[in-house]
Amino acid sequence: EDQVTQSPEALRLQEGESSSLNCSYTVSGLRGLFWYRQDPGKGPEFLFTLYSAGEEKEKERLKATLTKKESFLHITAPKPEDSATYLCAVQARYSGGGADGLTFGKGTHLIIQP
Amino acid sequence: DTGVSQNPRHKITKRGQNVTFRCDPISEHNRLYWYRQTLGQGPEFLTYFQNEAQLEKSRLLSDRFSAERPKGSFSTLEIQRTEQGDSAMYLCATSVRDTGELFFGEGSRLTVL
Repeated sequence: EDQVTQSPEALRLQEGESSSLNCSYTVSGLRGLFWYRQDPGKGPEFLFTLYSAGEEKEKERLKATLTKKESFLHITAPKPEDSATYLCAVQARYSGGGADGLTFGKGTHLIIQP
Repeated sequence: DTGVSQNPRHKITKRGQNVTFRCDPISEHNRLYWYRQTLGQGPEFLTYFQNEAQLEKSRLLSDRFSAERPKGSFSTLEIQRTEQGDSAMYLCATSVRDTGELFFGEGSRLTVL
């Protein structure tokens, strides 16, 4: 069974204080690993897709990296508007039983204080 | 607004009643997914359609749940004989290709009293 574990569950940072969020995964053949951002009361918003170990993607203050067992979301000099829950998800290669749905972690609740 | 639209946004019902949620996808997206999310958890996959065909259903989708997507356009998710454990946010998401890049709606929050 595919599993995604995110840590920490919650993180409070000062504005400008860089940090990293972790996503550890177990999947029967990785098709892709995804990062989403979710604001309170809203649906998740897509950020990045990573397909293979060593791959990196960047967007503004965010950078996502991937190894064979985990992914990191690095946040550089964050601003209060970066406050949100960040979700990691994996998609497995087709197993014959159907595997198109994403398996999400519980997320990291990030608060950036001014 | 060309995003994924979900209605109603909030539904409060009594245990045992039936409820139906509707999802209107982004027009050119042929894949449509339903997820359920409870407080403090990530979304859990329920089912997905490619055009009008329902191609996969999660073990989470009990017999009380049914989803349809007539003509490959909008989709409905019906829950019969609701239970308190059904209280959750029901999220619809769509995509144009077989990728994990999903466009989510704002969700329909169900409270079962």
